[in-house]
Amino acid sequence: EAGVAQSPRYKIIEKRQSVAFWCNPISGHATLYWYQQILGQGPKLLIQFQNNGVVDDSQLPKDRFSAERLKGVDSTLKIQPAKLEDSAVYLCASSSGRVGQETQYFGPGTRLLVL
Amino acid sequence: AQKITQTQPGMFVQEKEAVTLDCTYDTSDPSYGLFWYKQPSSGEMIFLIYQGSYDQQNATEGRYSLNFQKARKSANLVISASQLGDSAMYFCAMTNGGAGANSKLTFGKGITLSVRP
Repeated sequence: EAGVAQSPRYKIIEKRQSVAFWCNPISGHATLYWYQQILGQGPKLLIQFQNNGVVDDSQLPKDRFSAERLKGVDSTLKIQPAKLEDSAVYLCASSSGRVGQETQYFGPGTRLLVL
Repeated sequence: AQKITQTQPGMFVQEKEAVTLDCTYDTSDPSYGLFWYKQPSSGEMIFLIYQGSYDQQNATEGRYSLNFQKARKSANLVISASQLGDSAMYFCAMTNGGAGANSKLTFGKGITLSVRP
């Protein structure tokens, strides 16, 4: 069974530019998460989807970050415009969404460097 | 609010020996889940082991076991027979309320483990 896929793996941009990350969850997983992990810290949840609906986006900086999961499968996270403090690893995770099966499985992440 | 505390500095262990990574948590929810993830330098978070708050026995997965002390609110990870490939960051995490699609994870700051040959 294929795991969570993410692309690109690495991205370097100048501040004020825009960037987008893509995630394909494990087949059949209804719940999808985007996390931001700053160096030396644990991941912080940005947004959580159940199918194509948002469950929680309370920690998403909505003035510059946006995310969508239009068909309930793939998801895209966008930053526009980027700031220096957005340099981090962006992790996508998925889970089945069923009670008792809350384990989240993560993709390889996208390392973003904003110059 | 849920909180995970991992306070150990970088840990070192000799190859083939056992090591314990500490994790304490705080929550007011009676039902919760505890997880350990491994993050090698490549960056991917790898699920290792899960313990439910109502589970009577400590979870085990191969060389990994979780020492669950509910009264002390601790969930330490024990790695037996350490291997060089175990060198990585290790994160403790817990679900913060909700179940199924409403489940969310709160992570600790992580512990660096280095295995010496």
